[in-house]
Amino acid sequence: DAGVTQSPTHLIKTRGQQVTLRCSPKSGHDTVSWYQQALGQGPQFIFQYYEEEERQRGNFPDRFSGHQFPNYSSELNVNALLLGDSALYLCASSWGTSYAFGSGTRLTVV
Amino acid sequence: GDSVTQMEGPVTLSEEAFLTINCTYTATGYPSLFWYVQYPGEGLQLLLKATKADDKGSNKGFEATYRKETTSFHLEKGSVQVSDSAVYFCALSDLGGGTSYGKLTFGQGTILTVHP
Repeated sequence: DAGVTQSPTHLIKTRGQQVTLRCSPKSGHDTVSWYQQALGQGPQFIFQYYEEEERQRGNFPDRFSGHQFPNYSSELNVNALLLGDSALYLCASSWGTSYAFGSGTRLTVV
Repeated sequence: GDSVTQMEGPVTLSEEAFLTINCTYTATGYPSLFWYVQYPGEGLQLLLKATKADDKGSNKGFEATYRKETTSFHLEKGSVQVSDSAVYFCALSDLGGGTSYGKLTFGQGTILTVHP
């Protein structure tokens, strides 16, 4: 049973560029959440998607947007990248009280 | 809003020592409480959880009890091993208004290093 898979695992972008990160949920999970984890910090909630709609949103600017597809997979898009967007981006999928994290995408903005 | 505070770290112990990592929280309603562990270069793994007051979560020798009166969820282990070296995060979540978890709110993490 595949868990939560994220792609790519690492990427480097230039300030001002745009990036798309992808997440496939664990089998049987229908909800996807995204978190940003800066170095040495705890993860911070970005948003959660359910039934292809944003259900909850954390304190992140509109440069951060997302999408959920009919197969429950999800994308996180970040526009106009800033140096401060460098972080590990974690995807979590859930169904009821079953919650699982992927290994993350390490984004470096230079 | 909701918040989680963990004890200042890092924590360095010798193998077989007793471990306590303190965690306190602020939340409205009745959150569920979690401990997650993160090994270098990896994502988060659920270590244990408790969903109501006085519940005790346990796994792999680790334990934590949901104390509503002190708003705490301290992590303990009687005898740590070198393989327990990792970063530990305390977290809470509500049920998002339904029967599924909404957002998780995390503490800042505690780095644990265990020496042979």
